[in-house]
Amino acid sequence: KNQVEQSPQSLIILEGKNCTLQCNYTVSPFSNLRWYKQDTGRGPVSLTIMTFSENTKSNGRYTATLDADTKQSSLHITASQLSDSASYICVVSANSNYQLIWGAGTKLIIKP
Amino acid sequence: NAGVTQTPKFQVLKTGQSMTLQCAQDMNHNSMYWYRQDPGMGLRLIYYSASEGTTDKGEVPNGYNVSRLNKREFSLRLESAAPSQTSVYFCASSVGGAGETQYFGPGTRLLVL
Repeated sequence: KNQVEQSPQSLIILEGKNCTLQCNYTVSPFSNLRWYKQDTGRGPVSLTIMTFSENTKSNGRYTATLDADTKQSSLHITASQLSDSASYICVVSANSNYQLIWGAGTKLIIKP
Repeated sequence: NAGVTQTPKFQVLKTGQSMTLQCAQDMNHNSMYWYRQDPGMGLRLIYYSASEGTTDKGEVPNGYNVSRLNKREFSLRLESAAPSQTSVYFCASSVGGAGETQYFGPGTRLLVL
């Protein structure tokens, strides 16, 4: 069964600190993996997209990694800011159908 | 350029009532989607429309119907609301297929009593 699991479920860190969020997936065949950021009360917004051949991709203070062999991805946030408080959702696209497999998300809280 | 808009923002229904959630996008996207989001779960696809004039069931279509009115608009109808349909509903659109970036509306919070 195609699944996406994220850890931790929630995370609290101090402003200025770094953190890493994890995503493990069992989706086949794999097309791409995205990280979305969802602010409270808003719709998700795409942060990065990773294809099979990409290992690392950065978007400002966000760096995503992908290990297609172990089917793991991570999202690293550097020098966190209060505005980084949100849920971060990992989404995997399979080649074989039109649907995406969404993780449940990691809720990140940045404290001043 | 408003992106994806949804109405209403919030709605309370009684069991058995019907309602239609409206969604419109002004990005000339071909594909549109309806999701529901429940606490502790990933977004679940209800219905999608790959292009104007076509609609297909997603993961959780029971109790819902959709209409792709034109390229811009995609509505979701609950014919007889049930408490299990209490959720946050998101509409999204993308240029092409599901593997492309999806752009989401602000969501509709629905409470069914």
